[in-house]
Amino acid sequence: ETGVTQTPRHLVMGMTNKKSLKCEQHLGHNAMYWYKQSAKKPLELMFVYSLEERVENNSVPSRFSPECPNSSHLFLHLHTLQPEDSALYLCASSQDGASKVDTQYFGPGTRLTVL
Amino acid sequence: DAKTTQPPSMDCAEGRAANLPCNHSTISGNEYVYWYRQIHSQGPQYIIHGLKNNETNEMASLIITEDRKSSTLILPHATLRDTAVYYCIDRTSYGKLTFGQGTILTVHP
Repeated sequence: ETGVTQTPRHLVMGMTNKKSLKCEQHLGHNAMYWYKQSAKKPLELMFVYSLEERVENNSVPSRFSPECPNSSHLFLHLHTLQPEDSALYLCASSQDGASKVDTQYFGPGTRLTVL
Repeated sequence: DAKTTQPPSMDCAEGRAANLPCNHSTISGNEYVYWYRQIHSQGPQYIIHGLKNNETNEMASLIITEDRKSSTLILPHATLRDTAVYYCIDRTSYGKLTFGQGTILTVHP
């Protein structure tokens, strides 16, 4: 247990569905992250939030919409996804995101399958 | 792109030390080296990090060369549960961990 939880753990959705992934951290951290891990590919950073402000968006398509209502919760809203969006989506948190000595702790991930 | 290079795979016998090398020849003076591991389909797990000095914690030891161009992660007594992909990462910018392909470590009985 890392103190970062993600729900659901598995999700199957059609291309016309709208769904949301949820991440919660119990570590008192101020920065939260979404990563994507496709099959046979390295983790890719999608979004970074620090103190509920988005500080990085790595050219992610608009069909992925993040939301950070407070420093403990992070959502990823999904709509009109494509089959190639099927991947493991990982959430992470860290103390502040600004320091180079700022360890990120990851959740278990949500395995998403888009049909 | 990741600026570190690691061997794609390594084997280790259970109970023996696993020594995982990493080359980070372009690392700058104030960048830390981080190690994570990922067991199949789970989230990456933080192992250890260091700047210049060797570091040790309950999971592993990290040996960094004096010129900081390479490092070695040491698992002193590998178990079957240590089978995973191990990532060596140098922090490049704000909040960013750039993961490469890592080293697949297989611990066998």
